[in-house]
Amino acid sequence: AQSVTQLDSHVSVSEGTPVLLRCNYSSSYSPSLFWYVQHPNKGLQLLLKYTSAATLVKGINGFEAEFKKSETSFHLTKPSAHMSDAAEYFCVVTLSGNTPLVFGKGTRLSVIA
Amino acid sequence: EPEVTQTPSHQVTQMGQEVILRCVPISNHLYFYWYRQILGQKVEFLVSFYNNEISEKSEIFDDQFSVERPDGSNFTLKIRSTKLEDSAMYFCASSVVATQPQHFGDGTRLSIL
Repeated sequence: AQSVTQLDSHVSVSEGTPVLLRCNYSSSYSPSLFWYVQHPNKGLQLLLKYTSAATLVKGINGFEAEFKKSETSFHLTKPSAHMSDAAEYFCVVTLSGNTPLVFGKGTRLSVIA
Repeated sequence: EPEVTQTPSHQVTQMGQEVILRCVPISNHLYFYWYRQILGQKVEFLVSFYNNEISEKSEIFDDQFSVERPDGSNFTLKIRSTKLEDSAMYFCASSVVATQPQHFGDGTRLSIL
């Protein structure tokens, strides 16, 4: 069975500083991994996906994530935080094919001016 | 950009009543999903639907739940006799094919009194 662990429930950064949101996964087979973002009162928006191609994945809004099989990690990073990045971020795993998404508990990102 | 739409945004229902949550997936998508998020908890998979039948369901999706695609555009989730513990945010999602990322709606907040 697949699972994800988001290591921080809340991360706070200053505007213009780097963002690191940590995620570790567990999967019996080669997983597909995603990061979704949820702004207040909005749905879940796909930031980026990893599906066994390049291990460094670039997403929208300047975010990227690196798949590290040896560390079973898929951390989300951004070089410089913007106020609009404040939201809830979810790391998600699934097996390839028609299997349901398995969500982490989420990390709330706060950006301080 | 096409999006998944859900109605209503907020539904308040008395315990024991039936409720229907509605979703309009993206028009060329073939796979449809329902997830829920109880306040403060993880997003959880409920059911996936393809070719007019359920392809997978979780333990949460018991006999009180049903899904239907009554016409070419709507995808509904029915809870037959609501319980207090059904209070949650319910998200509809769709994907072109099973291996492609799922696109989510903004959710319906269901409050059971």
